Amino acid sequence: SQTIHQWPATLVQPVGSPLSLECTVEGTSNPNLYWYRQAAGRGLQLLFYSVGIGQISSEVPQNLSASRPQDRQFILSSKKLLLSDSGFYLCAWNRGSGGDGDIQYFGAGTRLSVL
Amino acid sequence: KQEVTQIPAALSVPEGENLVLNCSFTDSAIYNLQWFRQDPGKGLTSLLLIQSSQREQTSGRLNASLDKSSGRSTLYIAASQPGDSATYLCAVSLTGANNLFFGTGTRLTVIP
Repeated sequence: SQTIHQWPATLVQPVGSPLSLECTVEGTSNPNLYWYRQAAGRGLQLLFYSVGIGQISSEVPQNLSASRPQDRQFILSSKKLLLSDSGFYLCAWNRGSGGDGDIQYFGAGTRLSVL
Repeated sequence: KQEVTQIPAALSVPEGENLVLNCSFTDSAIYNLQWFRQDPGKGLTSLLLIQSSQREQTSGRLNASLDKSSGRSTLYIAASQPGDSATYLCAVSLTGANNLFFGTGTRLTVIP
């Protein structure tokens, strides 16, 4: 069976510090990978998605970047955090190719507080 | 730009009651619609996925319908239980399911 792991679960960082959140998927190959952010009182917003190693698409301009160094590893980064980067970050994957392959499966999330 | 609205924002019902959650979207050219459940501080769990060519999907006590032309979907929960308490999110995709547009959710509380 497939599983998705995100870490850390909680993170408190000062403004201006770097960020690295990691997401890995097990039990499948060549998944589509996604990073979402859920800000307080707002819906989930897609930040990045990747359909393969080194292929990253960004949905919104922001202070963050993403990388996919391995097939099942997706990393969200920032060089200098802003207060507005606080939120709940979720990683997700799906197989793609239509039908049930479109169902997205989510990790447990990382709660980031920038102070 | 696709906008997804969920009404009501919060709902409390006594255990055993049937209930309906509503989702509306502005662009009817959707690829699919998904319903998710989110427990406090947790990730999302997929409940049902409806392709744009389908009218409804069922899983256990859950039934989701889709009316693409009117830009609406409903999630029907039969015989609600306290364990159903969670936030329910709907999300639509315009193309290829690579970008899901989420509503802000309905927070459901089922009172024992």
